[in-house]
Amino acid sequence: DAGVIQSPRHEVTEMGQEVTLRCKPISGHNSLFWYRQTMMRGLELLIYFNNNVPIDDSGMPEDRFSAKMPNASFSTLKIQPSEPRDSAVYFCASSLQGGNQPQHFGDGTRLSIL
Amino acid sequence: KNEVEQSPQNLTAQEGEFITINCSYSVGISALHWLQQHPGGGIVSLFMLSSGKKKHGRLIATINIQEKHSSLHITASHPRDSAVYICAVTGNQFYFGTGTSLTVIP
Repeated sequence: DAGVIQSPRHEVTEMGQEVTLRCKPISGHNSLFWYRQTMMRGLELLIYFNNNVPIDDSGMPEDRFSAKMPNASFSTLKIQPSEPRDSAVYFCASSLQGGNQPQHFGDGTRLSIL
Repeated sequence: KNEVEQSPQNLTAQEGEFITINCSYSVGISALHWLQQHPGGGIVSLFMLSSGKKKHGRLIATINIQEKHSSLHITASHPRDSAVYICAVTGNQFYFGTGTSLTVIP
């Protein structure tokens, strides 16, 4: 079975540019999570969806970040405009309903903002 | 104060040793997760616990809800166990420990 698929794997762009990260969850999973990992702050939950509906976006750093899940098989995390401090690895994970199920992680997107 | 504290932060062991990583938390939870992150960066969910004990191969995870404490044990450690192990709890919110970096030397 295909796991969680994230794209791109790596992204390097200049500050001020719009960045879009993509995630395809495991088929049949109802919950989708976006995480950010940095050396300074470790792993942080940005937002999670249940049945395509955002449940908790309290981890989204600021208005420059937005996430959508238009259907059960696709989600995007967008940063506009990007800043150097957004440089991090962004992980997407999916699970059966809710936070009390094992999560399956994608390979992550390594984002560098110059 | 961090809601989730892990110890030790770094651990070096000889191959074959029994390893214990600890996780304490201060919030009410509905589940606790142990994650493994290899040097390449990929994250794997090892266990999800809400009570008792789980075992998978050489890995054992326990949780004591009353004491708000969990342990991850690795028996007969192997160099391929070298990774960062992260404890995470879910309740009203998600909280993560800062990870324990394990190096197993042949």
